[in-house]
Amino acid sequence: AQKITQTQPGMFVQEKEAVTLDCTYDTSDQSYGLFWYKQPSSGEMIFLIYQGSYDEQNATEGRYSLNFQKARKSANLVISASQLGDSAMYFCAMASNNAGNMLTFGGGTRLMVKP
Amino acid sequence: DGGITQSPKYLFRKEGQNVTLSCEQNLNHDAMYWYRQDPGQGLRLIYYSQIVNDFQKGDIAEGYSVSREKKESFPLTVTSAQKNPTAFYLCASSLRTGPNQPQHFGDGTRLSIL
Repeated sequence: AQKITQTQPGMFVQEKEAVTLDCTYDTSDQSYGLFWYKQPSSGEMIFLIYQGSYDEQNATEGRYSLNFQKARKSANLVISASQLGDSAMYFCAMASNNAGNMLTFGGGTRLMVKP
Repeated sequence: DGGITQSPKYLFRKEGQNVTLSCEQNLNHDAMYWYRQDPGQGLRLIYYSQIVNDFQKGDIAEGYSVSREKKESFPLTVTSAQKNPTAFYLCASSLRTGPNQPQHFGDGTRLSIL
């Protein structure tokens, strides 16, 4: 079985500062993918970034980067230069061959950006 | 524009009534999924389909049914057997299933009991 843990229910960050959202995972599979999604108050889930278990470099997408530490089984999301529009729920998820390639989601972190 | 369309945005169900949530995608994706989200929680998988005319149960399939007669459509029926249907329902699709396939989501349907 695979499991995703997000230990920060809520976080505040000052506008224009960087913030790190934590995610740890557990799987016995060697081939897996890690994903981060953003859910604004309107409800839609927005795909932000992906990291494959065999990728040697950390993934980056604009202001988002994924700090992938395979030995620690962590996949933290780093948002640089926070904006007011970044206020939302953020979910970490993973998929692995052993789990039928279905996404398993963590419980989420609510990020609030202060002006 | 390509995307996933869910309708209706809000839905109300009476006791003992079945209701159907619509999900349509024009991304030419093979795989489609239905998730349930309760307040303050993550998403849980209800059903998924990897190809037309095929679907499998997810973690919480009891009280729900689906069909996949067309590649672009994956409707979800919430039956009267689902005793606690009030939740936010999200439909997603991906090019195919796999550990490197991001899923893309619709805007969701909020279902409430009258």
